Amino acid sequence: GEDVEQSLFLSVREGDSSVINCTYTDSSSTYLYWYKQEPGAGLQLLTYIFSNMDMKQDQRLTVLLNKKDKHLSLRIADTQTGDSAIYFCAPKGYSSASKIIFGSGTRLSIRP
Amino acid sequence: DGGITQSPKYLFRKEGQNVTLSCEQNLNHDAMYWYRQDPGQGLRLIYYSQIVNDFQKGDIAEGYSVSREKKESFPLTVTSAQKNPTAFYLCASKGEGTDTQYFGPGTRLTVL
Repeated sequence: GEDVEQSLFLSVREGDSSVINCTYTDSSSTYLYWYKQEPGAGLQLLTYIFSNMDMKQDQRLTVLLNKKDKHLSLRIADTQTGDSAIYFCAPKGYSSASKIIFGSGTRLSIRP
Repeated sequence: DGGITQSPKYLFRKEGQNVTLSCEQNLNHDAMYWYRQDPGQGLRLIYYSQIVNDFQKGDIAEGYSVSREKKESFPLTVTSAQKNPTAFYLCASKGEGTDTQYFGPGTRLTVL
């Protein structure tokens, strides 16, 4: 089946940029989502990118997509303590029957 | 105030008992989903429903059952046949013409 890989942990200093990486196998992915999960909570849609784009910027968030290498990244500028959470990469395949496949999530922790 | 609600937030069950988790949405979404989340893992799809009175098994349906009698509601029953039911359960819904899923706050089930 299709697979999504993410590093489990990332630690950054407050004020620095965080870059969370993801690789996926489904080359038919059309929408590629990033979700954020705070402790004990559900998933919050953070942003997404269409497969025909290579970059999307939304305030402090920048999503980069390398479709050839099937690599997606999420950059958070000026990381704050409120950004501490688990971030899930979640691509969705082309057909209407395709499911969203979730990565294992990257736990972002912020150092003072 | 539109959204997805799940209840209860915490649920304790004795081994051998069935238990039903509630998921309600007032977003007028056709599709609804149940996921299971275990520590350090991504979300795994249990069941989904694209329309009232219809539902399909996901990747890990064994030991679970669902019903979809109303558009707004998609309850999940964790049966005694589920060998390892302790987990965090997340419900999501999706509107027509979009692939974006929106999540509820989750229910943490603990089997004693």
